[in-house]
Order: sequence, then C-alpha cells, then structure tokens
Amino acid sequence: QVQLQQWGAGLLKPSETLSLTCAVSGGSFSGYFWIWIRQPPGKGLEWIGEITHSGSTRYTPSLKSRVTISIDTSKNQFSLNLSSVTAADTAVYYCARGDRYYGSGTNPPPSYMDVWDKGASVTVSS
Amino acid sequence: DIQLTQSPSSLSASVGDRVTITCRASQSISRYLNWYQQKAGKAPKLLIYAASNLQSGVPSRFSGSGSGTDFTLTISSLQPEDFATYYCQQSYSPRTFGQGTKVEIK
Repeated sequence: QVQLQQWGAGLLKPSETLSLTCAVSGGSFSGYFWIWIRQPPGKGLEWIGEITHSGSTRYTPSLKSRVTISIDTSKNQFSLNLSSVTAADTAVYYCARGDRYYGSGTNPPPSYMDVWDKGASVTVSS
Repeated sequence: DIQLTQSPSSLSASVGDRVTITCRASQSISRYLNWYQQKAGKAPKLLIYAASNLQSGVPSRFSGSGSGTDFTLTISSLQPEDFATYYCQQSYSPRTFGQGTKVEIK
C-alpha cells in the first residue's frame, strides 16, 4: 500500500529556511494531491498547503508569504520550503495524500487526507 | 477563513459508553467535513469523510452526520482503543481543523 516518508533538517536557527521532502511509494502518484500539515507541541493541527500533480498550489493565508510547495513527478516526491522561520514554526510536520469523493455529486467534490506519514519534528532555536 | 469549533474540548467516558462530539462551522460548508483520530505521538487517521462516509477499515461503531454548519461524530460503544483526540476538518475553502476533542478514560 502507499507509504509516505519525509526527510529534512530537524533543527534550525531563526531566519533560516525550513526544507522538507516527502517521497511517495507503493502507489499511484498522479490523480491525487499532496499536502503539508503541522502541529506545534501540545496544540492542534494546522493545514499549511497542498499541491496537485500538475503543480497547482494552495496555501493557508497566514503562511502564504513564506511558503513554497513544489513537486517532482519524476521522483514521486513533493517538498515544503518555509522561509524566515521563528520559534513559532517549531512543530511536528506531516505530509499527507489528498483524495476527493466524487460520489457526493457536489462540485467541487469534497476532499480528505487519507494517508499520512509518521511526522517529523522540527525545532527552531538559536 | 472558516472557523471550526468543536465541543466539548475534552470528555471522560467509560468503555461501552455512547460518545458524541460536535463540530460547528462559522459558515455553511455543505458536507465538506471530515473527522480524524489522533493517538498520542502518532499521525492522525481518517475516520469519516464528506460528513458521513466511513473510511475503509474503520469500525462501524464510528459514524458521522450533519450538513451546513453543524456536524456530529458518534462512537456508539466506546472501546479501549478509542481513547484519543478527535479533530474535524473542512475542505470547503482553505482547509482548517477544529481545535480537537480529547476523549479520556473515566
């Protein structure tokens, strides 16, 4: 079955750029969209953004000025860059697969996140 | 952004109890609402999508209902493995999550 595995630096200094990459294996890469989510220590989940197989992106408004999500279809990978990090960006970062439910008859179809990686801790500290 | 408010924020329940968690959206989101379960130190797991559709492999004691602004996740008979935090999430606009509901053992 499909698996997601991410990697990247786990410790950053303020003002540096966070870079994470998520590789998809064991399943189709096309036909889905690919998502980044984060969870600060002891807090809830925050959707960061997503990218389609064709490269179309959407970002959460609060991070839009600092976030770039990209995709490499030749490697079945997608990446997150978050610039000018501060301590507030300390969190567990998850990558996930997004899919759509076409049985509802609504347009656009409802979407959901059905496969997640185990998450990676990123700490920002001087 | 659409805000999602879950209630209660936490609850204590016993094995076998019927548990209901609600999620209210700040504006109508039709049925663009999903539910996830997260256990400590683990990634979230999809339970319900599009308000009422049970994800493959999820036990039938979990069910979802609602549309518009008010949604409910119900666990018909709480099992030991169900003690976790539950999140609602909307896919109508820039995605957002509710703040979570922690289900603890009474």
